[in-house]
Amino acid sequence: AQRVTQPEKLLSVFKGAPVELKCNYSYSGSPELFWYVQYSRQRLQLLLRHISRESIKGFTADLNKGETSFHLKKPFAQEEDSAMYYCALLSGGYNKLIFGAGTRLAVHP
Amino acid sequence: DAGVIQSPRHEVTEMGQEVTLRCKPISGHDYLFWYRQTMMRGLELLIYFNNNVPIDDSGMPEDRFSAKMPNASFSTLKIQPSEPRDSAVYFCASSLSLGNNQPQHFGDGTRLSIL
Repeated sequence: AQRVTQPEKLLSVFKGAPVELKCNYSYSGSPELFWYVQYSRQRLQLLLRHISRESIKGFTADLNKGETSFHLKKPFAQEEDSAMYYCALLSGGYNKLIFGAGTRLAVHP
Repeated sequence: DAGVIQSPRHEVTEMGQEVTLRCKPISGHDYLFWYRQTMMRGLELLIYFNNNVPIDDSGMPEDRFSAKMPNASFSTLKIQPSEPRDSAVYFCASSLSLGNNQPQHFGDGTRLSIL
């Protein structure tokens, strides 16, 4: 079964602390994975995708096929990073995304 | 481009009433998706279209929900009759064709409250 698991509903850190938002997936083929972010009362936005191997707003995510994980990391959290983060898996065939339950990141001053 | 446009932004209505949510995808996008977001269940895909044709409606909760896409620039999600448990934020998203390089672009959502 295709599934995305984000085990933490809430992650609370202080400004300047490192952040790791966990994401594990279940998929039989070669996965295509994304992180989306939703700031307070705003639309979901694509943050990054694994195939691009990019760093956006200081965030990076590495696909680990052995551990079936795609954790989102940032070395030094900022208050403006506070948001809801969703990990998503592209389902094979059509362009269908399977989202995890989301993790709320709260960065305190 | 103004992005994906949804209307209304907010809807408050009494249970039993018909609710119609509207979405205008980004011009040229041939995929359109309807999602529902709740605190309890997170973000759920309800249905999606490709070239105006419904491809997968397995996420539609029950017969009270229906979605149409009469043309490439417009889609509706209808709930009739509405119930309090339908209260949620409903998002529409669109994308170009298949693949990792074509992310989904989301609208601002419609916040629906059924009293």
